[in-house]
Amino acid sequence: AQKITQTQPGMFVQEKEAVTLDCTYDTSDQSYGLFWYKQPSSGEMIFLIYQGSYDEQNATEGRYSLNFQKARKSANLVISASQLGDSAMYFCAMRPPRGNQAGTALIFGKGTTLSVSS
Amino acid sequence: SAVISQKPSRDICQRGTSLTIQCQVDSQVTMMFWYRQQPGQSLTLIATANQGSEATYESGFVIDKFPISRPNLTFSTLTVSNMSPEDSSIYLCSVDGGGDVYEQYFGPGTRLTVT
Repeated sequence: AQKITQTQPGMFVQEKEAVTLDCTYDTSDQSYGLFWYKQPSSGEMIFLIYQGSYDEQNATEGRYSLNFQKARKSANLVISASQLGDSAMYFCAMRPPRGNQAGTALIFGKGTTLSVSS
Repeated sequence: SAVISQKPSRDICQRGTSLTIQCQVDSQVTMMFWYRQQPGQSLTLIATANQGSEATYESGFVIDKFPISRPNLTFSTLTVSNMSPEDSSIYLCSVDGGGDVYEQYFGPGTRLTVT
């Protein structure tokens, strides 16, 4: 069965510093997708970054990068130059292969609360 | 991309009553997903709604408690029936971009409090 593990319930970082949020996953599938979402206190899910299992390069989106280590089954999120507005809950998620279905739901980790201080 | 709206955005309900949450997508999609997020917890999939067929429920969720309708390719409703305080959660609907689109889109969520 697929599983996402986020072992850091909370992380604290100073403004302008970089922070790494850990994520490991378990799957026997060869094709899968890995996501990171940000959820502020408003409750909306904000998509940050995506990594496909066959992508050879690590994904980057502005200040966000995904450190993908396939052999170790890890997909850590790196946020560079943290800002106060980065304070939120962060979820790592995996999408199994779509197969013949027109869509597949995500499997989420428990999340990490990031607090950025000035 | 897909834009998803949900109604209501929040509600406070009495125990024993029911609430129907609406999810509208601005494009046609085959599969829609309903998640529950209890306070301080992660997202848990309730069910998958495929247009023209009965919804598929995950373990721990039953149709009598969470009936789902999917009348067309852009709309779905989730009803939370006979509510108890344990149903206080954020309920989110989601769609898969599908095909070459990798992104998964989420609605803004419905924040439900049961008193």
